[in-house]
Amino acid sequence: ELKVEQNPLFLSMQEGKNYTIYCNYSTTSDRLYWYRQDPGKSLESLFVLLSNGAVKQEGRLMASLDTKARLSTLHITAAVHDLSATYFCAGAPITSGTYKYIFGTGTRLKVLA
Amino acid sequence: NAGVTQTPKFQVLKTGQSMTLQCAQDMNHEYMSWYRQDPGMGLRLIHYSVGAGITDQGEVPNGYNVSRSTTEDFPLRLLSAAPSQTSVYFCASSYNGLGLSGELFFGEGSRLTVL
Repeated sequence: ELKVEQNPLFLSMQEGKNYTIYCNYSTTSDRLYWYRQDPGKSLESLFVLLSNGAVKQEGRLMASLDTKARLSTLHITAAVHDLSATYFCAGAPITSGTYKYIFGTGTRLKVLA
Repeated sequence: NAGVTQTPKFQVLKTGQSMTLQCAQDMNHEYMSWYRQDPGMGLRLIHYSVGAGITDQGEVPNGYNVSRSTTEDFPLRLLSAAPSQTSVYFCASSYNGLGLSGELFFGEGSRLTVL
């Protein structure tokens, strides 16, 4: 059964700084997803990583996937207050011929002005 | 463009009561799922379905029932509510076929309190 671990769980950072959120998973996952959740809101998709070595970038966020290390990273460049949110990664191994999405515990990011 | 619609948004139950959380999607997604979100626990998969008539258990299925009679609807039933089921529930759907991105689309969530 896939287990997904994120660290750190909480992250407080100054505007303008860089930081990385790590997502480790326990068994083979065919793909890896990153989602963002604002307080009291639903989840929205940020990145879909479909293969080893995949790298996706959107604005100040960049996600990568290393399937051999069972590791995905979400890198934040020059953080701004608007990036304050909770970020989740999710693995999706094929189980009985279909994908089964398992989420990490989330990383709550707070960007201080 | 409705996407994934959940009802109700808020519900308060007494221990032992039953209720159904409704989920409907208009994107013709084969895959639908229910998650619960608790502080410090992330999202945990309750049940999922890969098409009409097909359901399977997730990580935390006990105390919950599902059925999938149509592609559009995937209701979650609490048969006898317990305080431990106080949570925020999310329904999510996707295209789940191989070769597709498979990203999940989430509903707005249903906040359930069991007294």
